[in-house]
Amino acid sequence: EIVLTQSPGTLSLSPGERATLSCRTSQSVSSRFFAWYQQKPGQAPRLLIYGASSRATGIPDRFSGSGSGTDFTLTISRLEPEDFAVYYCQQYGSLPGTFGPGTKVDI
Amino acid sequence: QVQLQESGPGLVKPSETLSLICTVSGDSISGHYWSWIRRPPGKRLEWIGYTHSSGSTDYNPSLKSRVTMSVDTSRNQFSLNLNSVTAADTAVYYCARGSTGAYGPWGQGSLVTVSS
Repeated sequence: EIVLTQSPGTLSLSPGERATLSCRTSQSVSSRFFAWYQQKPGQAPRLLIYGASSRATGIPDRFSGSGSGTDFTLTISRLEPEDFAVYYCQQYGSLPGTFGPGTKVDI
Repeated sequence: QVQLQESGPGLVKPSETLSLICTVSGDSISGHYWSWIRRPPGKRLEWIGYTHSSGSTDYNPSLKSRVTMSVDTSRNQFSLNLNSVTAADTAVYYCARGSTGAYGPWGQGSLVTVSS
């Protein structure tokens, strides 16, 4: 089973700043099978990025994903107040798919 | 807009069967894969398995011996049964559209506690 590590655990930023979130996998993963999710308190997770870099339907273009192999990045170009949340990465190229522990982006 | 809603008992006794239903609105359940995912307290999200309206299923090997999933197309619902539960099965259980990954949308989640 592939283990995902996310860093940092918490990212303290202000609205308008750039956020860079990292996810590292214990084995190489095809970028076709890599996703990012956002979850706010009391809400369901929301798919942001799939295939490492493709935005899901309705996701603003300030969210972008990149990476390959064992290193993947989610970038939020300019934080909006509604972006403060927890972000999870997931690989699903090697079954069972596994999730990272999350990065909390807070003010 | 597709919406999913989990329903079922919030408390299950050890050794009994945990049963949850996910009701899908805004889309037909037919032709899609549907998954169950859980998060035990303080732990990571864990994929439990998926089902398809065709009847095909696949489960996480760690839970395979205890899991059954099925689809009811007439009610636009799919279900999860997890038998022989222990305290380690206490978790928030989510239903979501998708098979192995890139899940969306998700339900709000249903907290199930295993306790006598």
